[in-house]
Amino acid sequence: DVKVTQSSRYLVKRTGEKVFLECVQDMDHENMFWYRQDPGLGLRLIYFSYDVKMKEKGDIPEGYSVSREKKERFSLILESASTNQTSMYLCASSLNRVEQFFGPGTRLTVL
Amino acid sequence: QKEVEQDPGPLSVPEGAIVSLNCTYSNSAFQYFMWYRQYSRKGPELLMYTYSSGNKEDGRFTAQVDKSSKYISLFIRDSQPSDSATYLCAMSSNTGKLIFGQGTTLQVKP
Repeated sequence: DVKVTQSSRYLVKRTGEKVFLECVQDMDHENMFWYRQDPGLGLRLIYFSYDVKMKEKGDIPEGYSVSREKKERFSLILESASTNQTSMYLCASSLNRVEQFFGPGTRLTVL
Repeated sequence: QKEVEQDPGPLSVPEGAIVSLNCTYSNSAFQYFMWYRQYSRKGPELLMYTYSSGNKEDGRFTAQVDKSSKYISLFIRDSQPSDSATYLCAMSSNTGKLIFGQGTTLQVKP
């Protein structure tokens, strides 16, 4: 079974803080994704990566950056957290980009 | 207009009922169609994956794709309280970028 883990289930940060969300997968997948999920808006793609050190913007990249130094690890960085970044953040990995396997999510609250 | 439309519900049915969940879409380039199940406070779990048109069955679950109508369905037979969750449809063209519906919340009452 594919296992995708995320560093924290719940996180509370203050406005202006730099926030790191970590994601690790154990299936040697090339493709990894970061989404945010908000009520009424569904899942929206922030960034994805199809190889180590490669990244592409998704639909809502503003205010976020990513890092992929190793194949199994994909990090999402909020450079200066704002209250409108309070959300559920979901990481996914995929061998073929289509069948995506999700982690348990990190519920981030920015005060 | 959203690329993928899904009625958010909530949908409440008695145990044992047949459940029908649906999505419509506008992009004729979509070829891959998925259904995810998401329990409260958990990540989505891939339930069914279909390429192009047709039906796919897995136990109590059947996925149908009608590309001519741009309409996909998930049927759950003999629904159980453990099926209570949010069901998300997702679809993709060959770019690999998934477009998700909003999700339909289902409650199966004992």
